[in-house]
Amino acid sequence: EAQVTQNPRYLITVTGKKLTVTCSQNMNHEYMSWYRQDPGLGLRQIYYSMNVEVTDKGDVPEGYKVSRKEKRNFPLILESPSPNQTSLYFCASSLWRGLSANTEAFFGQGTRLTVV
Amino acid sequence: DQQVKQNSPSLSVQEGRISILNCDYTNSMFDYFLWYKKYPAEGPTFLISISSIKDKNEDGRFTVFLNKSAKHLSLHIVPSQPGDSAVYFCAAILGGSNYKLTFGKGTLLTVNP
Repeated sequence: EAQVTQNPRYLITVTGKKLTVTCSQNMNHEYMSWYRQDPGLGLRQIYYSMNVEVTDKGDVPEGYKVSRKEKRNFPLILESPSPNQTSLYFCASSLWRGLSANTEAFFGQGTRLTVV
Repeated sequence: DQQVKQNSPSLSVQEGRISILNCDYTNSMFDYFLWYKKYPAEGPTFLISISSIKDKNEDGRFTVFLNKSAKHLSLHIVPSQPGDSAVYFCAAILGGSNYKLTFGKGTLLTVNP
């Protein structure tokens, strides 16, 4: 079954304690990205990756890091989490079809992070 | 500056009737538009899309209309079913190297039996 898998689904942590949210896709997609969803703000892009070892900032990258060492995995790293990073996080993947963007993104089920 | 706007936070319709969800955008460089459906505790699920070179795309009960001159798109669901109750997000993509979905804030659709 084609899917994007995030772990963990729920996480409560304390300020400053490094954490990693994993994301894996089994569709051989080139493109992966992270979004956060906040009340009244919708979904906003944090980071994206066009392929292995190619990553770049989205709209709200502050406080986050990513890496893309393998095509299937795209972990989101919070080196020193703060309460304003409490949010619902989604990983997404899609095929890359060059400059023609006529393809849909597939989303994981989400990770609800609470930083206290 | 919000480039994709869904001005109705919620919509309630009766089962069997038409649901019309609206979306406006400000960036004329968007060239692909998508609708996603989201249930609580799940990730967004792709529903239907439309390229900027078209004005209509249909898939079963779902039809998306695009009016480029008005920078407006709409999703029609006919007939509406209780299982359609969810949050619907409109999203748009610029052509180029970053496949970034710019989302609206969503509309909660409730279909009453």
